[in-house]
Amino acid sequence: EAGVTQFPSHSVIEKGQTVTLRCDPISGHDNLYWYRRVMGKEIKFLLHFVKESKQDESGMPNNRFLAERTGGTYSTLKVQPAELEDSGVYFCASSQEEGLGYTFGSGTRLTVV
Amino acid sequence: EDQVTQSPEALRLQEGESSSLNCSYTVSGLRGLFWYRQDPGKGPEFLFTLYSAGEEKEKERLKATLTKKESFLHITAPKPEDSATYLCAVQMNYGGSQGNLIFGKGTKLSVKP
Repeated sequence: EAGVTQFPSHSVIEKGQTVTLRCDPISGHDNLYWYRRVMGKEIKFLLHFVKESKQDESGMPNNRFLAERTGGTYSTLKVQPAELEDSGVYFCASSQEEGLGYTFGSGTRLTVV
Repeated sequence: EDQVTQSPEALRLQEGESSSLNCSYTVSGLRGLFWYRQDPGKGPEFLFTLYSAGEEKEKERLKATLTKKESFLHITAPKPEDSATYLCAVQMNYGGSQGNLIFGKGTKLSVKP
């Protein structure tokens, strides 16, 4: 079974630019989650999709972040415009049942300079 | 405020030297407590889920226990390949999304041969 795939693995962009991160969950997993780890801090929840619907987006930091999951398959997380404090590692996870059996991807390391 | 605190931040052991990692939590209602292992450049890898005080789970040299306020991850006779960051996360039984995990900062374990 293929795992959760994220790309790019690394991205370096300038402040003010736009970046789009992609996550391909495990096939058949309706639940997809985005998390973020800022340097020196713990991993924090951003949002949760069930199929194509946003179940919980309480962790999204501000309206510069836009997550989509068209068709209930892969998901994208767009940051526009990027700020320095957006730097960190963005993790995606998926599960068959809500809140159970999470599988995480390897993450995308975003550096905003 | 819901919070997860892990200690110590870092732990150096000699091969074969058993020890324990601590995860204390303050949440109003616990649905589950998760332990993950994270290697550099990788996403968290699931180890255990504990649901109720008194529950214990084992996997190879690892044993996780849960009380009403904290969880311990016991490592018996560790080997160098056990070196990793160990993350604890809790899931509440209330709120908008039961998929939302609250993570601690982790304990970085180094096992020297």
